[in-house]
Amino acid sequence: GNSVTQMEGPVTLSEEAFLTINCTYTATGYPSLFWYVQYPGEGLQLLLKATKADDKGSNKGFEATYRKETTSFHLEKGSVQVSDSAVYFCALRGKSSASKIIFGSGTRLSIRP
Amino acid sequence: SAVISQKPSRDICQRGTSLTIQCQVDSQVTMMFWYRQQPGQSLTLIATANQGSEATYESGFVIDKFPISRPNLTFSTLTVSNMSPEDSSIYLCSVEPSLDRSYGYTFGSGTRLTVV
Repeated sequence: GNSVTQMEGPVTLSEEAFLTINCTYTATGYPSLFWYVQYPGEGLQLLLKATKADDKGSNKGFEATYRKETTSFHLEKGSVQVSDSAVYFCALRGKSSASKIIFGSGTRLSIRP
Repeated sequence: SAVISQKPSRDICQRGTSLTIQCQVDSQVTMMFWYRQQPGQSLTLIATANQGSEATYESGFVIDKFPISRPNLTFSTLTVSNMSPEDSSIYLCSVEPSLDRSYGYTFGSGTRLTVV
């Protein structure tokens, strides 16, 4: 079945550091891939998505590229801010009509001023 | 995109009691989903609620413990029955706001439940 494997946290960085959170997946065909963010005390928000190979999703300075050859969708940001402190979830949805979104384990990111 | 109002935002309940969580959407949606997020964990899908039919439960979740109602296209409730401390979690309502399946889900802000 489909699955998502996500880099374990917590991850602690200094402000303005470069961020990478690794995500790999297992799925048949070409699933849609997502990154969600959960700020403290809030629900999940869609951060970015990609629906086919080599697509790049981007939002708020974050980027992730759909790599079919490595089955990966790593999240990157060139210069993180304290306000980026949150939990980040990688997720996928298969192409079949019955597919639901499944989530990775989440990575907690803390940014030091 | 859809806006979801979820109530209550948090509650502390006695074991053995039940809590009903409400989810109101500002537009009509076909499918609504209920997730559980245990402390420090990822999201686990409890069930899918379609209007006019019984909810479809995922493995490990049963209707007697988590009864769901879906009376119309903008509203759903999830009840956590006969609660125990193991039910302490965040419960999240979500919807699929677009016919475009690549759009993803929109989530409510969650209900943080503590059972004592």
